[in-house]
Amino acid sequence: SQTIHQWPATLVQPVGSPLSLECTVEGTSNPNLYWYRQAAGRGLQLLFYSVGIGQISSEVPQNLSASRPQDRQFILSSKKLLLSDSGFYLCAWIGRTSGIPQFFGPGTRLTVL
Amino acid sequence: TQLLEQSPQFLSIQEGENLTVYCNSSSVFSSLQWYRQEPGEGPVLLVTVVTGGEVKKLKRLTFQFGDARKDSSLHITAAQPGDTGLYLCAGSYYGNNRLAFGKGNQVVVIP
Repeated sequence: SQTIHQWPATLVQPVGSPLSLECTVEGTSNPNLYWYRQAAGRGLQLLFYSVGIGQISSEVPQNLSASRPQDRQFILSSKKLLLSDSGFYLCAWIGRTSGIPQFFGPGTRLTVL
Repeated sequence: TQLLEQSPQFLSIQEGENLTVYCNSSSVFSSLQWYRQEPGEGPVLLVTVVTGGEVKKLKRLTFQFGDARKDSSLHITAAQPGDTGLYLCAGSYYGNNRLAFGKGNQVVVIP
């Protein structure tokens, strides 16, 4: 069966510090991978998605970047965090052959102080 | 612009009552997903509906996809405290693996 992991579960960082959030998927190959941010009252905002290693599409301009160094690994990064980067970050995947639906990881709660 | 509008945003009911929440859009979707999310956790998939007019049941939950594939409803019969959570609908477009999400229906079932 497929599972998706996110690390860390919670993170408190000062403004201006770097960020690295990791997402890994097990039990599938060639997944599409997604990073979302969920802020209170604003639903899920798609940040990045990837259809393969090294292939990243950005949905909105922001202070964040993403990378996919391996087939089942997706990393969300920032060089300098802003207060507005606080939120709940979710990673999701879709099996390439199934197409739908998306399955979500447990999330990372990021607080920037 | 919010592509999917969910209503009501917040709903509080007593255990044993029935409830219906809605997900509406002006867009046509190839499929629509419903998720339930609890605080501090990722959304968990409940159902995917694909065919216009389709009705799916998951125990006490009934999901319906509109005939025109633009809207959906979720009906819970005899709600239980375990049904408490944020219900998110998400629509996907033909040939596109990205989803459009609504802001969610926050449901609270009081024992």
